[in-house]
Amino acid sequence: GAGVSQSPSNKVTEKGKDVELRCDPISGHTALYWYRQSLGQGLEFLIYFQGNSAPDKSGLPSDRFSAERTGGSVSTLTIQRTQQEDSAVYLCASSRDFRETQYFGPGTRLLVL
Amino acid sequence: GQQLNQSPQSMFIQEGEDVSMNCTSSSIFNTWLWYKQDPGEGPVLLIALYKAGELTSNGRLTAQFGITRKDSFLNISASIPSDVGIYFCAGQRPGMRFGAGTRLTVKP
Repeated sequence: GAGVSQSPSNKVTEKGKDVELRCDPISGHTALYWYRQSLGQGLEFLIYFQGNSAPDKSGLPSDRFSAERTGGSVSTLTIQRTQQEDSAVYLCASSRDFRETQYFGPGTRLLVL
Repeated sequence: GQQLNQSPQSMFIQEGEDVSMNCTSSSIFNTWLWYKQDPGEGPVLLIALYKAGELTSNGRLTAQFGITRKDSFLNISASIPSDVGIYFCAGQRPGMRFGAGTRLTVKP
């Protein structure tokens, strides 16, 4: 595809369950980013991958959040033991490298009941 | 995470009017970007600025990268109804930090 894709588009889960969110970046983009957007708020940086370098995890809000990027392409954001305050839209973006413009996917809307 | 200070929070304008919004930060960024987000969609890039002092136009949009690298503004000239949406500024170095957004309403 031409753009960043994310799945699922919507996810409803119960408090305490684990969830996995997937991001497929634009082909050839070495940089991949995860952001969180709460209702009516701006975007909050979570984590950044650049090639084979160690990821920048400085934005992860707690140790319940983790992310992997396998083979330098697809990324998975995992939230363990979800809490109601984790409800938000999780956006993924990719760019050719960290100096270039990021392009966003449509997001995954997570609702924790 | 660290946020940028974006203002105004919201604007209600008449079609045809010009719009101006800005972002400031206490930190320096290497790149400033402006995005527009429609309901249910991811942000879409409008303008990217890569050098301090840079002034860039994209149609009716004009944006500038502040000389101190700590601020940027976006102007929209002759607004039209489809300009409605939320506009976000972002500073990149390389992970991005975002402003809280400016919600623009355009009355026909």
